[in-house]
Amino acid sequence: AQSVSQHNHHVILSEAASLELGCNYSYGGTVNLFWYVQYPGQHLQLLLKYFSGDPLVKGIKGFEAEFIKSKFSFNLRKPSVQWSDTAEYFCAVTQNYGQNFVFGPGTRLSVLP
Amino acid sequence: DGGITQSPKYLFRKEGQNVTLSCEQNLNHDAMYWYRQDPGQGLRLIYYSQIVNDFQKGDIAEGYSVSREKKESFPLTVTSAQKNPTAFYLCASSISRDHQPQHFGDGTRLSIL
Repeated sequence: AQSVSQHNHHVILSEAASLELGCNYSYGGTVNLFWYVQYPGQHLQLLLKYFSGDPLVKGIKGFEAEFIKSKFSFNLRKPSVQWSDTAEYFCAVTQNYGQNFVFGPGTRLSVLP
Repeated sequence: DGGITQSPKYLFRKEGQNVTLSCEQNLNHDAMYWYRQDPGQGLRLIYYSQIVNDFQKGDIAEGYSVSREKKESFPLTVTSAQKNPTAFYLCASSISRDHQPQHFGDGTRLSIL
C-alpha cells in the first residue's frame, strides 16, 4: 500500500530562517504530489502541486517544492520564513491522477518572531 | 461565497450511540470525501463519493456509514461499531474524482463521554 512519510513532527524556526520540510512516498509508479497547509483555526488549503514537467514547483506565499523521482521525495522549501507561516503542513500523494489519495502525518511549523 | 459547511463543530457521543456529522457544499462539486485526522497520523480516507447515489469505502471505513442522496450533501454516521471514534473529522470536495480535494470544511471534533 502506498504511504507518505514526513520526517519532522515539529519544526521551530526563527523569522528569516530557511525552511525545508521533508516528504517521501513509497509508490514507484506515476504520482501526483501536493502540499497542503492548515493555519491555526483555518481550513486546509492547497499550497502547491506537481503533476508533470518541471520538477521544481512554485506555490503560493513564496513556497516551492522539488520532486526528485530517484529519491521518491517532494520536499517543501522557503528561503525565509515569516511568523505568519506558523501552521501545520501536509504532504499528499495520489497515483493515476486522483486515485488513492494519501496524506502524510503532517509537520507542525512554529516560527518565532 | 462557495464552500463546505460542516456541523456541528463539536460533538459528544455516548457509548453505544450512533451520531451523524453533516457536510454540505454549494460548489457544485461531484466528488466528496470524509477524512479522519488523528495526531501523528495525518488524514486518512473513510469514504468518498464520486457522484450522487454512489459511494466507496476508503482505507478506514469500518464502523462508519455514509449516504449521498443529494449532490450537495454527504453526511457521515459514526456507528457504535466504531470502537475508537474520538478524532477530528474533515469533509472535502473536488470537481470530480480525478481531481485532488480542493475545498475542505472546518471540521468536526468528536469526543466520547
